[in-house]
Amino acid sequence: DVKVTQSSRYLVKRTGEKVFLECVQDMDHENMFWYRQDPGLGLRLIYFSYDVKMKEKGDIPEGYSVSREKKERFSLILESASTNQTSMYLCASTSGTENTEAFFGQGTRLTVV
Amino acid sequence: DAKTTQPTSMDCAEGRAENLPCNHSTISGNEYVYWYRQIHSQGPQYIIHGLKNNETNEMASLIITEDRKSSTLILPHATLRDTAVYYCIVKAGTNAGKSTFGDGTTLTVKP
Repeated sequence: DVKVTQSSRYLVKRTGEKVFLECVQDMDHENMFWYRQDPGLGLRLIYFSYDVKMKEKGDIPEGYSVSREKKERFSLILESASTNQTSMYLCASTSGTENTEAFFGQGTRLTVV
Repeated sequence: DAKTTQPTSMDCAEGRAENLPCNHSTISGNEYVYWYRQIHSQGPQYIIHGLKNNETNEMASLIITEDRKSSTLILPHATLRDTAVYYCIVKAGTNAGKSTFGDGTTLTVKP
């Protein structure tokens, strides 16, 4: 069964901490994505990557960075966590083939206190 | 991406078939219709997608109108585990991961 795995299901961090959210996919997918989901705002794209060491900003990249050193792993970094980054974070991946579906991880619920 | 419109919420009885509608009147010729669902506190799960022909898999059926301006997701025998938010999304090419998930339809299956 294909999988996108996020390293933590729940995370509590303090304001100002550097936070790493890890995502691994086992489908040899080219494309990987990070979203955040907040009530009433739907899923919003933070960053995505079409290849190793490649990244592009999504709709709300401020306060975040990403790293993709290996094809299967895509990390989201909160350089200095703030309370307004409390959210559900979702990782997704797709193959490079046209018109195929996205696979999502189970989500990481991050609380910044 | 074409905008989609879905009802905010729907209820159905366990064991019954349920039809979830979606309007996408501005869909382009190369855009596919995708359906996902999100069970509470989990990531979205892919259900089905199609271009213009009707599609069926083990989870659901997708009916797309001839003019492609609307579609219907059919759950043949709803169970309590089908209670979720259902999203209809229109996308083309390799951009399925850059999908805009709006509010979707909250489906509640009742015993």
